[in-house]
Amino acid sequence: EVQLVQSGAEVKKPGESLKISCKGSGYTFTSYWIGWVRQMPGKGLEWMGIIYPGDSDTRYSPSFQGQVTISADKSISTAYLQWSSLKASDTAMYYCARLRGTTTRLDYWGQGTLVTVSS
Amino acid sequence: EIVLTQSPATLSLSPGERATLSCGASQSVSGSFLAWYQQKPGLAPRLLIYDASSRATGIPDRFSGSGSGTDFTLTISRLEPEDFAVYYCQQYGSSPLTFGGGTKVEIK
Repeated sequence: EVQLVQSGAEVKKPGESLKISCKGSGYTFTSYWIGWVRQMPGKGLEWMGIIYPGDSDTRYSPSFQGQVTISADKSISTAYLQWSSLKASDTAMYYCARLRGTTTRLDYWGQGTLVTVSS
Repeated sequence: EIVLTQSPATLSLSPGERATLSCGASQSVSGSFLAWYQQKPGLAPRLLIYDASSRATGIPDRFSGSGSGTDFTLTISRLEPEDFAVYYCQQYGSSPLTFGGGTKVEIK
């Protein structure tokens, strides 16, 4: 069974750094892309970027380029999304999802990680 | 980037009724590479339809998708209580991938 399990909810202060994770199982982790999607409170879905764990090829949506860093550790089948300096506007639910390519559907999703940034 | 506009924003219907949701694209979606997702409160989105009209694994046949170019439709033939949710379209014909703003299907 394909599963993407994300790390737990986080509460941080503005200016702090953060790295959240997404662990894949039930499939060959290095043969699929992992994408990240933001959902701000009460809002819709926003595409952030994508990584291919096989070779760490990474692409970012223009809206998120330079704002976050996507990485992966294929040895433990885990992808990451990180911030170096959080802002209150980063408060959102973040989902990871699996894709077969850079421009394909998101066929399996993680359960989401809620990030709250507040002073 | 391709902008997707979903209409209506909210659809108020009763169980057993037919739901028709629209997704319009600012430019033609290559290959009809369009998907629909369902999201219930507190849960992650779930893939319903891909390539405009193919149902994902385990999706009941009351859900159907159609369309090409710039106009796409998700139809729920007879609403079941568990179908009341928010639905998003997403295009993957070109980068960056983009989502529509969503349609909420609520109980009338």
